[in-house]
Amino acid sequence: GIQVEQSPPDLILQEGANSTLRCNFSDSVNNLQWFHQNPWGQLINLFYIPSGTKQNGRLSATTVATERYSLLYISSSQTTDSGVYFCAVPNPNDYKLSFGAGTTVTVRA
Amino acid sequence: DSGVTQTPKHLITATGQRVTLRCSPRSGDLSVYWYQQSLDQGLQFLIHYYNGEERAKGNILERFSAQQFPDLHSELNLSSLELGDSALYFCASSLAGTAYEQYFGPGTRLTVT
Repeated sequence: GIQVEQSPPDLILQEGANSTLRCNFSDSVNNLQWFHQNPWGQLINLFYIPSGTKQNGRLSATTVATERYSLLYISSSQTTDSGVYFCAVPNPNDYKLSFGAGTTVTVRA
Repeated sequence: DSGVTQTPKHLITATGQRVTLRCSPRSGDLSVYWYQQSLDQGLQFLIHYYNGEERAKGNILERFSAQQFPDLHSELNLSSLELGDSALYFCASSLAGTAYEQYFGPGTRLTVT
């Protein structure tokens, strides 16, 4: 199946800082999703981004499908941004999402 | 709120027991997926149903089974529970298959004692 690698594994930010999270994947994909898992365990959809760039408030994402990577940008981070960020891509044959190991973000006040 | 509902939110049971987790997909979604999140394995795909039919299986144990009913809700049955089955179980739904965004429910946290 498709391999998904995320970096960095951990990120500690001061409130107000900007950051970039990276997701590399091993094969061509026709979609890619970014999720935020909050401290209560909920998986929140952030972006569905097969290619190109999207923005949602202080968050934005860019996927370069031809080079098999995606970036998630967090600007002016807030303590509520803390949690684990996952990227996930579907296997072409069985539709399952393969998840990366996640990036754990801690934003300090 | 993703529109996907899961019950119960928490479940505590003993080894050897059987439990049923329930999922209702978003209105209009035909696909239901089950995932398991454990501390040592991360998020793992279990099984996918589309409009009542099983479409794909992941690393789902033989002690686990699932089905999708005519009203499109799904149930995941876990039997002969072991301590290692303790995990967060997520259901997700999408309109159809791989090209569509998957939306996750709040999860069921299972603790086996």
